[in-house]
Amino acid sequence: QVQLVQSGAEVKKPGASVKVSCKVSGDTLTELSIHWVRQAPGEGLEWMGGFDHEAGEAVYTQKLEGRVTMTADTSTDIAYMALSSLTSDDTAVYYCATSAPFMYYFDYWGQGTQVTVSS
Amino acid sequence: EIVMTQSPATLSVSPGESATLSCRASQSLSNNLAWYQQRPGQTPRLLIYGASTRASGIPARFSGSGSGTEFTLTISSLQSEDFAVYYCQQYNNWPPGTFGQGTKVEIK
Repeated sequence: QVQLVQSGAEVKKPGASVKVSCKVSGDTLTELSIHWVRQAPGEGLEWMGGFDHEAGEAVYTQKLEGRVTMTADTSTDIAYMALSSLTSDDTAVYYCATSAPFMYYFDYWGQGTQVTVSS
Repeated sequence: EIVMTQSPATLSVSPGESATLSCRASQSLSNNLAWYQQRPGQTPRLLIYGASTRASGIPARFSGSGSGTEFTLTISSLQSEDFAVYYCQQYNNWPPGTFGQGTKVEIK
């Protein structure tokens, strides 16, 4: 059974950056794709980006291109999502989620990390 | 980019009754559609993938159907734990992995 454990809540000021981690157990990052999905208060789910096995690299939603970076350390099975130039619109719960290679639906989810951007 | 539209926004159902949720795509998806359940304060959970295949551990009262641009999630004999928000997600034209806006199933 795959389990994803994310880092704790963060409070950041506008303009700052945040980095959220996602530790995988029960499988390895070499066998899974990690994606990141966020949910603003009272809103729906928004896919931010994830690992594209065809391209062999992370791909991002156009809305966040240039501000988001997703990386994975296969030696520790920890994935990271970094988001820069934060605004209040980035206040959300951030989830990591897995998919099988080339299958881009999300079968396992982390518990979520609350990121609050406030002056 | 594909637009996913779910209807209705809110569905009021009595326990024991059935619920039918719709998801429409702006372009054909073949059967590359997933459904998720999100209970209040909880993490989303995969219910259905491939439009009609139940994920591991999902009860048989959840069923998915459809192909192309029209999809349906049916929940038969609703139980208390089924009152939640349900999202569809396309993965045919990926990236991005577009979600619908969600349907809230509430107790009538």
